[in-house]
Amino acid sequence: DAGITQSPRHKVTETGTPVTLRCHQTENHRYMYWYRQDPGHGLRLIHYSYGVKDTDKGEVSDGYSVSRSKTEDFLLTLESATSSQTSVYFCAISVLGQGSYEQYFGPGTRLTVT
Amino acid sequence: QKEVEQNSGPLSVPEGAIASLNCTYSDRGSQSFFWYRQYSGKSPELIMSIYSNGDKEDGRFTAQLNKASQYVSLLIRDSQPSDSATYLCAVNTETSYDKVIFGPGTSLSVIP
Repeated sequence: DAGITQSPRHKVTETGTPVTLRCHQTENHRYMYWYRQDPGHGLRLIHYSYGVKDTDKGEVSDGYSVSRSKTEDFLLTLESATSSQTSVYFCAISVLGQGSYEQYFGPGTRLTVT
Repeated sequence: QKEVEQNSGPLSVPEGAIASLNCTYSDRGSQSFFWYRQYSGKSPELIMSIYSNGDKEDGRFTAQLNKASQYVSLLIRDSQPSDSATYLCAVNTETSYDKVIFGPGTSLSVIP
């Protein structure tokens, strides 16, 4: 499982509230990613990080922010949750394989915004 | 807009048959290609990586890459009901060696 945990695993929240999802890895990987997965859209990159305090936007970053103050933790914050952010969120790490970087995923967080 | 396309399916095959999953991509500079398997309610799991034209075999799985045609496929031989899942194709981009773009996935159902 690449030593990745996500918390919480399930969350229901109300529109307008802030929400923070946590991704924790135990193997000191430098590269970390947040994705969301929705029917009909597949996996889409929200934000990514190349190291402590080194983050950048992905394809669908509006309404999301991230922080990485320690190598092992990558936090995703929904500043004011909306119903359109109801989704399954996956964290991933990237590991140099035989020919390229390969991504491995955490178990996911199912978020429902009511 | 760089894209990765897959037939959404569902693809149904009888147990013991060969399942063939296809993927096309738009970025001619892509160098790394991946297949992930995702069971319902679970996270994607990397099952194959391929970087060179031709075939790469791993057990019952064979990945095939044709960069000239911008096409990558996954063959599953002797399909089992446990292979029933959604298969995601992922392709890196020429400008980002670590980031990938995922296709929408193909749902495979293996009928006993």
